[in-house]
Amino acid sequence: EAQVTQNPRYLITVTGKKLTVTCSQNMNHEYMSWYRQDPGLGLRQIYYSMNVEVTDKGDVPEGYKVSRKEKRNFPLILESPSPNQTSLYFCASSPRPGLGNTIYFGEGSWLTVV
Amino acid sequence: AQSVTQLGSHVSVSEGALVLLRCNYSSSVPPYLFWYVQYPNQGLQLLLKYTTGATLVKGINGFEAEFKKSETSFHLTKPSAHMSDAAEYFCAVTLSAGNNRKLIWGLGTSLAVNP
Repeated sequence: EAQVTQNPRYLITVTGKKLTVTCSQNMNHEYMSWYRQDPGLGLRQIYYSMNVEVTDKGDVPEGYKVSRKEKRNFPLILESPSPNQTSLYFCASSPRPGLGNTIYFGEGSWLTVV
Repeated sequence: AQSVTQLGSHVSVSEGALVLLRCNYSSSVPPYLFWYVQYPNQGLQLLLKYTTGATLVKGINGFEAEFKKSETSFHLTKPSAHMSDAAEYFCAVTLSAGNNRKLIWGLGTSLAVNP
């Protein structure tokens, strides 16, 4: 089954404690990205990757890092989480560049920073 | 700059009634338009999309949308609402330039279906 898998789905952590949210896709997609979803603000892109070793900032990259060492994986790293990073996070993937391509989303990761 | 406006953050309909969720966009070039649905505690799933060709697009679960260039709209409809349609619906338009496959998202419309 084609899917984007994120882990953990739910996490409560403390301010400053580094954490990583993993993301893996089994569709051999070149493009992957991370979004955060907040009430009243909709979906905002954090980082994206066009291919292995190619990453770039989205709209709200501050406080986040990513890496793309393998095509299927695109982890999101919070080096020093803060309460304003409490949010619902989505990983997404898509085939090669083409403006009409569908983006496939993971089920989301609820992160609470206290 | 491209933008997407979804009119009405909350819409409530009775089971069996028509569903109409509104989406207007601004774009300087022909857009690619999408509707995604988010069921509770799940990720977003593509409902339908318009790329080229026929302006009336049919999607999953009985939904359809019509691209109206003159009105810059891409409203989502379903003739008869089911309880299972209760979800958050997002309209999106692609960026017209650059390599980033980033969609410009509307803020979403929460659909409630009453028995």
